[in-house]
Amino acid sequence: EAQVTQNPRYLITVTGKKLTVTCSQNMNHEYMSWYRQDPGLGLRQIYYSMNVEVTDKGDVPEGYKVSRKEKRNFPLILESPSPNQTSLYFCATGGVPGEQYFGPGTRLTVT
Amino acid sequence: AQSVAQPEDQVNVAEGNPLTVKCTYSVSGNPYLFWYVQYPNRGLQFLLKYITGDNLVKGSYGFEAEFNKSQTSFHLKKPSALVSDSALYFCAVGGSGAGSYQLTFGKGTKLSVIP
Repeated sequence: EAQVTQNPRYLITVTGKKLTVTCSQNMNHEYMSWYRQDPGLGLRQIYYSMNVEVTDKGDVPEGYKVSRKEKRNFPLILESPSPNQTSLYFCATGGVPGEQYFGPGTRLTVT
Repeated sequence: AQSVAQPEDQVNVAEGNPLTVKCTYSVSGNPYLFWYVQYPNRGLQFLLKYITGDNLVKGSYGFEAEFNKSQTSFHLKKPSALVSDSALYFCAVGGSGAGSYQLTFGKGTKLSVIP
C-alpha cells in the first residue's frame, strides 16, 4: 500500500528544545515536500526536495532545516522551536507533477 | 509568481443539491490546476487536475471541475451533494514543466452539506 508516514503525530514541546519530525514514503518518489497549515492561511510550503541531496527553500523556510540523505526519508528539523512554529505540519511526496500524496500530519505545539 | 484565490471561506449546501466551490488563479504561461480535499484529522487527498484538453475534467467521488481560461477560474462542482462530501477543499496551481511539482495552494473552502 502506497504510504507516507509521519512521526510523531502529536508533539508538545518547549521553546528552544530541538526536535525532528520524520517523514517516510514507500512510493520511490523523487519529489518530497513539507508544508505547514495554519487557520486562515492555508498550506504554505517550508522546504522541498527534487531528489537525494537536493533541497530548496519554499515560502516559509525560516527556523526550519531539512535533509535528504535517502530517497524515502525527508525529516524536518526545528533546531530552536518558537511558539510561532505551533502548527499542523504535512509531509508530501509526488511522482506525477502536481499529484501529491500527503502524510497524516503532525500537530506541533511549542510553549 | 503564481497565486490562487478561493473567495469563499465556507459553502453550505443541502444534501442532494448541486455544489460549486470557486477558485481563481494567476500564473505565467499555461496553468496546471488541481483540487485537493481534506477530511477532518487527515492529510490532503488529490481529487482531480487540469493540464490540457477538455475544459471539464472529472475526478474522484463524482467531482468535476470546469476550466475557464478567459475568467482564469477552475471551479469545483458536483451535481448532487452528499453529507460525506463535507470537508475542506483546496485549489492549487502549478507552473508548467519541471516547476509543476511546485504547487501554490489557496486558503481552502469549508464545505458543509446539510442533511
